[in-house]
Amino acid sequence: EVQLVQSGAEMKKPGESLKISCKASGYSFTVHWIGWVRQMPGKGLEWMGIIYPGDSDTRYSPSFQGQVTISVDKSINTAHLQWSSLKASDSAMYYCVRGYCSGGSCYGRWFEFWGQGTLVTVSS
Amino acid sequence: QSALTQPPSASGSPGQSVTISCTGTSSDVGTYDYVAWYQQHPGQAPKLMLYEVNKRPSGVPNRFSGSKSGNTASLTVSGLQAEDEADYYCSSYAGSNNLVVFGGGTKLTVL
Repeated sequence: EVQLVQSGAEMKKPGESLKISCKASGYSFTVHWIGWVRQMPGKGLEWMGIIYPGDSDTRYSPSFQGQVTISVDKSINTAHLQWSSLKASDSAMYYCVRGYCSGGSCYGRWFEFWGQGTLVTVSS
Repeated sequence: QSALTQPPSASGSPGQSVTISCTGTSSDVGTYDYVAWYQQHPGQAPKLMLYEVNKRPSGVPNRFSGSKSGNTASLTVSGLQAEDEADYYCSSYAGSNNLVVFGGGTKLTVL
């Protein structure tokens, strides 16, 4: 069974750094793209970026390029999303998502598997 | 890239059909058949309902169907049931390095 289990809720102050995680199980971690989606309170879904664990090839939405860093640790089948200096506007629910494979290739164009979400609250 | 455009709300009575539109551009919906629809109930993670315009993942009822014409994709829910009341989001592949764009979401109310 494919599972994406995310780290717990975080409460941080503006300017602090943060790294949240998404531990994958039930499939070959290095084969499938893993992405991150933001949902601000009461708002819609926003695609942030995606990484291919096999070679750490990473793509970012222009809206999030330079604002966050997506990485993986293949040794523990875990993807990470990190901020070096949080802002209040980073307060949101963050979901990790897994891509799919078709015809012998793997893509991150839609997402069947979602983590349970990590709530990040940034407040002074 | 800009978000896809969805109506903020839609509604229907039990047993009726409702269609939700998702309008993009020639850079996303109009070019690629990688449109997906997600259902999100309050307090839950989104759930994939349709992918590649009209394909259903295992377990999704065939009351959910999809189509696309030009730059607009549509989700139709037939035989509305109370449990269909949720927020629905469309997404599309937008090329250029695996970029994905979401719609703003539509709140579906079952009257």
